Amino acid sequence: SQQGEEDPQALSIQEGENATMNCSYKTSINNLQWYRQNSGRGLVHLILIRSNEREKHSGRLRVTLDTSKKSSSLLITASRAADTASYFCATDAPTSGSRLTFGEGTQLTVNP
Amino acid sequence: DADVTQTPRNRITKTGKRIMLECSQTKGHDRMYWYRQDPGLGLRLIYYSFDVKDINKGEISDGYSVSRQAQAKFSLSLESAIPNQTALYFCATSGGTQETQYFGPGTRLLVL
Repeated sequence: SQQGEEDPQALSIQEGENATMNCSYKTSINNLQWYRQNSGRGLVHLILIRSNEREKHSGRLRVTLDTSKKSSSLLITASRAADTASYFCATDAPTSGSRLTFGEGTQLTVNP
Repeated sequence: DADVTQTPRNRITKTGKRIMLECSQTKGHDRMYWYRQDPGLGLRLIYYSFDVKDINKGEISDGYSVSRQAQAKFSLSLESAIPNQTALYFCATSGGTQETQYFGPGTRLLVL
């Protein structure tokens, strides 16, 4: 079963708008990671946030983590058409032995 | 990511055939993983290996086997392919203190 559940499943916005994707998980974690996948291609790591961190930034990306609610959000600011992709959260749990458990992803479409 | 290569990139086979998917990496990582992705879904772990002598089953290992021929090579075999093994297969690596994973471009497999 999937550790992470993402919401929404699909999101369509206009260029320049912000996009927010959410991830919920079930067990305690060491860290939570976000990956991006362009259509049919391999996943690319975007950002990692550790369980003792609450917020992290990387360029136009902002990730928050609320361990009390077992949830995370990924915010992409000033979106571009090139941001169109699927975004996955993945959790690394203390009992996982460095294995990641992936959510089902959010399909983001940014319209020019 | 050119550091992780997969062959073949596309494969069509028939039910009952044995096939092998290969993965090579030049990142010098110890840990290697095989995932499958079904349309609209996240990734599910098939097998993983933390070094040449360490092979572990993931959540969906039935019908699959693996071989870690060297630190840089990790192969996935379908002993007797069946149509519900039609999917996109990804190899990934991680290593050292890095908790993130690096993915290959994927192999698209169709079992008729």
